[in-house]
Amino acid sequence: EIQLQESGPGLVKPSQSLSLTCSVTGYTITSGYDWSWIRKFPGNKMEWMGYISNSGSTNYNPSLKIRISITRDTSKNQFFLQLNSVTTEDTATYYCVRTTDYYYVMDAWGQGASVTVSS
Amino acid sequence: DTVLTQSPALAVSPGERVTISCRASESVSTLMHWYQQKPGQQPTLLIYLASNLESGVPARFSGSGSGTDFTLTIDPVEADDTATYYCQQSWNDPTFGSGTKLEIK
Repeated sequence: EIQLQESGPGLVKPSQSLSLTCSVTGYTITSGYDWSWIRKFPGNKMEWMGYISNSGSTNYNPSLKIRISITRDTSKNQFFLQLNSVTTEDTATYYCVRTTDYYYVMDAWGQGASVTVSS
Repeated sequence: DTVLTQSPALAVSPGERVTISCRASESVSTLMHWYQQKPGQQPTLLIYLASNLESGVPARFSGSGSGTDFTLTIDPVEADDTATYYCQQSWNDPTFGSGTKLEIK
């Protein structure tokens, strides 16, 4: 059974970078699927941030394109989110998600990492 | 971006039938999916491609629709179905609805 687990700092200062790790067990991230980051803001709005494919290509939400980077370490079966120049509006719960690579169905989610941006 | 508009919060009694709607700002064909998020938990997939039941999801859940109008139906509703339900389209870059909070009386 696949499991995804987010990890990283729960508090980030404005203008700094937010960095999260998603550790995947039960499935090899190079075997298939895309690997996404989704965030849920206070008030329940959800936003797709981007993904890294099983081949290593990336696709980002245009609204975040200048600030976001998604990378991976295949030896550790992990993928990563970096979001630069954060503001308080980036306060959210961040989920790593397995996404089908054809229809973008999000079929497995991590438990989520709460990140607060505050000085 | 394709905007998804969901019905407001609903309150129903156990054993009733409930429908949750999702309207897209443009046609998304059948590229619509539904998720359930219980309090304190991560979202889970219920329905994909408008009407396909995800493995392990009870048959009380069903989905229908195409184009711009979609419906998630729960029949009969159980107390454990208390959750927020989200639709998500994948016709273009994924977007989500604002969520429908379901309360079981």
